[in-house]
Formats: sequence, structure tokens, C-alpha cells
Amino acid sequence: GAVVSQHPSRVICKSGTSVKIECRSLDFQATTMFWYRQFPKKSLMLMATSNEGSKATYEQGVEKDKFLINHASLTLSTLTVTSAHPEDSSFYICSAITSGHLGDTDTQYFGPGTRLTVL
Amino acid sequence: LAKTTQPISMDSYEGQEVNITCSHNNIATNDYITWYQQFPSQGPRFIIQGYKTKVTNEVASLFIPADRKSSTLSLPRVSLSDTAVYYCLVGDFNRDDKIIFGKGTRLHILP
Repeated sequence: GAVVSQHPSRVICKSGTSVKIECRSLDFQATTMFWYRQFPKKSLMLMATSNEGSKATYEQGVEKDKFLINHASLTLSTLTVTSAHPEDSSFYICSAITSGHLGDTDTQYFGPGTRLTVL
Repeated sequence: LAKTTQPISMDSYEGQEVNITCSHNNIATNDYITWYQQFPSQGPRFIIQGYKTKVTNEVASLFIPADRKSSTLSLPRVSLSDTAVYYCLVGDFNRDDKIIFGKGTRLHILP
């Protein structure tokens, strides 16, 4: 299957600092990527849809000024958590859509996730 | 709202076949059904995807009835390492539909 990577895999930062998480599609181009966050023993919650070359679309309740998304190329989307606070501590997961390698339809592949801990 | 409903949890034993059913009563004509497996502190891993009837790959089979209002993921001869959360997702990736996760099924394999 297609490979999506994330960097870093885990990060610990102080309250008030900003953290950037990278999501890369390694062997395919993705015009659309998604960002999710996941709390312990909960399902993934969609935060935003990242579109290459245009502004991201945020889900209701997600602050776009706090979670900055930049999809600068067809293989890279970044999520920056600005002025992070302890309540932002979570597991952040990105995904990317790859077209038709299974023959019928596009498929969504996920990155390995980034564990953010804000002290 | 998520388009899917699954059992919250299931238990089974090593070597058994496990079937997890997902309900998606409002599936749209262009929607595909995709199943993912997630281990703790990892991103979801693609298992299988289908549109109708039956799809089989090296790890699982997916059964979809004619009305497509449900689907069943079948895992043959499970092992302890299959203990994970399994998610059924429904959507039209060709339109870059945003995919909303349901609660998933927590599968626990016992020795």
C-alpha cells in the first residue's frame, strides 16, 4: 500500500510554544490530506481537510488560528499547533488520498501519528 | 455524524474466524466501504476496501450484500496480534469526501 509518514513521532514542549508536525506522502502525490486528533481510548476526530494550493477547511469547533495547516506541495502538509497548552496534548494523525492504485477507487492511507505532550 | 455503526467490542480465541459487521444504512451510490485496523499509539492501517459482493486479500475478506446497507469483515484464524480496534468507514474518496470515524470495534483475542 501507499506510505504516509509523519515527523516527529513524538514531541514534548512547554506551554506557550508552537509545534510543527509534518505529514508526507512518500510514494504518491496527494492533493488532499486530512488531519485528525485522537484522545486515549477514543475514536479519531477529524480536525481539518488540507488542500494543496488552497486554504484548509476546518471542522466546527477547531480553531484555525490555533491549528495552522499548510499544504505547500503535493507530498507535504504541515500542522502547526500555536501557543500550545496542556489541553492540546493528544495523538495527531494525518491521512492522504491516493488515486486508484487498487483499480476501482481512491483510497485513504494514514500516517503513524505524532504524540504531542504539552507541559 | 458517522455513517457507520459497529459493535463496541468483541472477544474471540486464537485460531478462530472472526466476523465484524458494520451497518451503514445511508450509504450513497458512489460510496466505498473501507476497513482499517488500529493498534495503540499507531495510525490506522488499511485492511480492505470494497463496493459490492465479496472482496478478498491476503489478510481478510469483505462481504457486502446486494443492498449495501451493511458489510462484514472476516478475519480467518486470528492470532493474539490481531487484538486491535477495527474501523469501518464509508465514503466517496474520488470526491475527497471527508471521512468521519465511528467508534470502531475493539477486538480482543484470547489465548
